Amino acid sequence: QKEVEQNSGPLSVPEGAIASLNCTYSDRGSQSFFWYRQYSGKSPELIMSIYSNGDKEDGRFTAQLNKASQYVSLLIRDSQPSDSATYLCAVRVDSSYKLIFGSGTRLLVRP
Amino acid sequence: DAGVIQSPRHEVTEMGQEVTLRCKPISGHDYLFWYRQTMMRGLELLIYFNNNVPIDDSGMPEDRFSAKMPNASFSTLKIQPSEPRDSAVYFCASSLAPGLGEKLFFGSGTQLSVL
Repeated sequence: QKEVEQNSGPLSVPEGAIASLNCTYSDRGSQSFFWYRQYSGKSPELIMSIYSNGDKEDGRFTAQLNKASQYVSLLIRDSQPSDSATYLCAVRVDSSYKLIFGSGTRLLVRP
Repeated sequence: DAGVIQSPRHEVTEMGQEVTLRCKPISGHDYLFWYRQTMMRGLELLIYFNNNVPIDDSGMPEDRFSAKMPNASFSTLKIQPSEPRDSAVYFCASSLAPGLGEKLFFGSGTQLSVL
């Protein structure tokens, strides 16, 4: 079974700070990486995807990928209370279309 | 499009009963996924279909679970007989083919409680 691991948190940051969320994966053949956000009682929604080593920025969000270290992260700049949610890391396995999720990190942004 | 539609939103049943969960994917999406989410195990992939054909069912817990996709606009996940450990939120998701966008669109989920 392929594994995607995340710290369950909660990660608590003050409003306006940078939140850093981390994820490691075990399958070296993984090619596609995603961050989903899930509010309590709601379904997950995609916020970022990344396929190549390095950084990818979209507004306040930056995804970082290091395939050699099998590590992917999500930075949220200028964190807002509305960012409080669980962030799920997901990895597409090999050449299949199986998307494996981590257990998620709960983020709390304090006003 | 109304998005991925799941029914029912909530299901409460007794152990041993049959449970059927339903899903209507977004029109034009080639892939359909069934996930189960619990606090202990997170979001687990149960099975996925491509063009109505089951591709990988290795996540289906046991023979009590079965899934079908008789046409492009409808899928079911059946549990027979149900057990208390099946209690979870079951999500259906659909997407376009890889290369056309890998974003999964999730339904609102079915909260299943087996007493």
